[in-house]
Amino acid sequence: DIQMTQSPSSVSASVGDRVTITCRASQGISSWLAWYQQKPGRAPKLLIYAASTLQSGVPSRFSGSGSETDFTLTISSLQPEDFATYFCLQANSFPLTFGGGTKVEIK
Amino acid sequence: EVQLVESRGGLVKPGGSLRLSCAASGFSFATYSMNWVRQAPGKGLEWVSSISSDTSDTSYADSVRGRFTISRDNGKNSLFLQMNSLRAEDSAVYYCARWGSEAWAFDYWGQGTPVTVSS
Repeated sequence: DIQMTQSPSSVSASVGDRVTITCRASQGISSWLAWYQQKPGRAPKLLIYAASTLQSGVPSRFSGSGSETDFTLTISSLQPEDFATYFCLQANSFPLTFGGGTKVEIK
Repeated sequence: EVQLVESRGGLVKPGGSLRLSCAASGFSFATYSMNWVRQAPGKGLEWVSSISSDTSDTSYADSVRGRFTISRDNGKNSLFLQMNSLRAEDSAVYYCARWGSEAWAFDYWGQGTPVTVSS
């Protein structure tokens, strides 16, 4: 199974800050990585797929990069509605596996 | 508008069974792979099972293989998860999720339904 290690597990930031979250795969997954945002009591929302493609309707302050084993989600200027938990997903092979999540909290 | 609506979950005793369903609308259900993903209270996301558009392929997480069965009825735009021999560790919110054909990822999710396994 491919393990996804996400870091940090939590980050405190202020509105306007640049936030970077990383995911490392235990083996190469090409660009088969997606990023999700989840707010309490809600289903996850797809932000980015294929490592760097922005899902329709997602603000351009979100961006993704990386390939094979190392991936990054960047929020260029944190907005109040961005305080949430973020997960990565490897879509390369079954079993599909998620990172442990990063909670973005208000500083 | 794509909509996925899971049936009500519930409280089940250990060793018991429960069948979840997910009603899909707003897209051509028969052309998409579908999935179940779960999230234990305060925990991360865990993929549970997938089924191809034509039902020819199914996949399961090791944690549920042999106990859970995924199925679908394309004529009724519905996805199902039959859960047998339930354990306490199966307690979670269960989400129905569509696998995007363009976005190679779960692109739409239901609202989730809670399942609690407890005596």
